Amino acid sequence: DAGVIQSPRHEVTEMGQEVTLRCKPISGHDYLFWYRQTMMRGLELLIYFNNNVPIDDSGMPEDRFSAKMPNASFSTLKIQPSEPRDSAVYFCASSLSRDYNNEQFFGPGTRLTVL
Amino acid sequence: AQSVTQLGSHVSVSEGALVLLRCNYSSSVPPYLFWYVQYPNQGLQLLLKYTTGATLVKGINGFEAEFKKSETSFHLTKPSAHMSDAAEYFCAVSVGFSGGSNYKLTFGKGTLLTVNP
Repeated sequence: DAGVIQSPRHEVTEMGQEVTLRCKPISGHDYLFWYRQTMMRGLELLIYFNNNVPIDDSGMPEDRFSAKMPNASFSTLKIQPSEPRDSAVYFCASSLSRDYNNEQFFGPGTRLTVL
Repeated sequence: AQSVTQLGSHVSVSEGALVLLRCNYSSSVPPYLFWYVQYPNQGLQLLLKYTTGATLVKGINGFEAEFKKSETSFHLTKPSAHMSDAAEYFCAVSVGFSGGSNYKLTFGKGTLLTVNP
């Protein structure tokens, strides 16, 4: 399997612009997670889905952030409008509920810089 | 709610020396515990995990960790550090799999391991 795929790997944008991050989970996995990693706050869970349905979005920082999972093989995290404090590395991870060990498989991340 | 505390944001060892990275957890129910490693500019990958059974868990690259319930600890060790071990290490906890919310992992802040030649 190719693992979790994220695109783009790097994104540089200007404040106020819309940013869309994309994720393709491992085929067959039914859980998908979006994390944000910063020096100040470490690794934070933003939202996660089970069978394409959002289960817990309590980590989404503001209404400027939204996430969707239209099908089992694709998810997006959107920031509109973006702000400099959104600069971070965003990770997508997936897992299989039948694997009760809860191992999550991480993508390589998207490094977002908002100028 | 569960939580994880990693003692020491930065640990520096010499090549060949013992590696000890500390992790303490808080959980109201028996936890599942994980160590993940993150190499520069990469995502996290699983190093080892404890779910049930033997409390001494062996992982990849010669690492191991011991679950000590009485101390609420899950420290990561490696007898002899190698230059390639330089990375950031994250301890994480989840509280089982009954119910959707239990698939959440709560991560510690991470410990950056530096290995000196």
